[in-house]
Amino acid sequence: ETGVTQTPRHLVMGMTNKKSLKCEQHLGHNAMYWYKQSAKKPLELMFVYSLEERVENNSVPSRFSPECPNSSHLFLHLHTLQPEDSALYLCASSQDGIPRQTDNEQFFGPGTRLTVL
Amino acid sequence: QKEVEQNSGPLSVPEGAIASLNCTYSDRGSQSFFWYRQYSGKSPELIMSIYSNGDKEDGRFTAQLNKASQYVSLLIRDSQPSDSATYLCAVTGGSEKLVFGKGTKLTVNP
Repeated sequence: ETGVTQTPRHLVMGMTNKKSLKCEQHLGHNAMYWYKQSAKKPLELMFVYSLEERVENNSVPSRFSPECPNSSHLFLHLHTLQPEDSALYLCASSQDGIPRQTDNEQFFGPGTRLTVL
Repeated sequence: QKEVEQNSGPLSVPEGAIASLNCTYSDRGSQSFFWYRQYSGKSPELIMSIYSNGDKEDGRFTAQLNKASQYVSLLIRDSQPSDSATYLCAVTGGSEKLVFGKGTKLTVNP
């Protein structure tokens, strides 16, 4: 496996379900991110982890709970979601979590298309 | 609220033409600028990064940055139908997060 992988690629869940999204990066990076992409809206940053420590929580509802057990893996635990949470959830990684004027580009995984019924 | 503005398009150009995509940003302290390409149903793919004023060329792609005007653009020379996608501009500065524009949809007609 190379780059950033995400599973599952598609997920349909009811509002009372609990599910988890998984992300794994094979780039040796130290920072990982969760983004939400809804139709006709810009990519929205949800969480940032740098060296397994959460450094950003962008006012995300508590029904989304991230977990970063090590620098290669990132999870997003979902519970009691709403239909408006249906979106493409993207994971990304970069060398570190502090943007600076050097190469620190973010590389994205393929995303999980989530539908909440 | 730091913002990144892009014309949503669609921008339609004939095959072989130059496609010009534009982006403005509100935070004068922004330091890093990126262009991502996103095909329908796929994730964003980084195609260009630029950090200083001027032009940066990579194959058929040229990124142009003008910090005084808070403007960054992407030129695609010899456009191909395979370039048809949504192009996302993203900007960051200091310790701030990466902020994305809504994207410009480009269609290259054969």
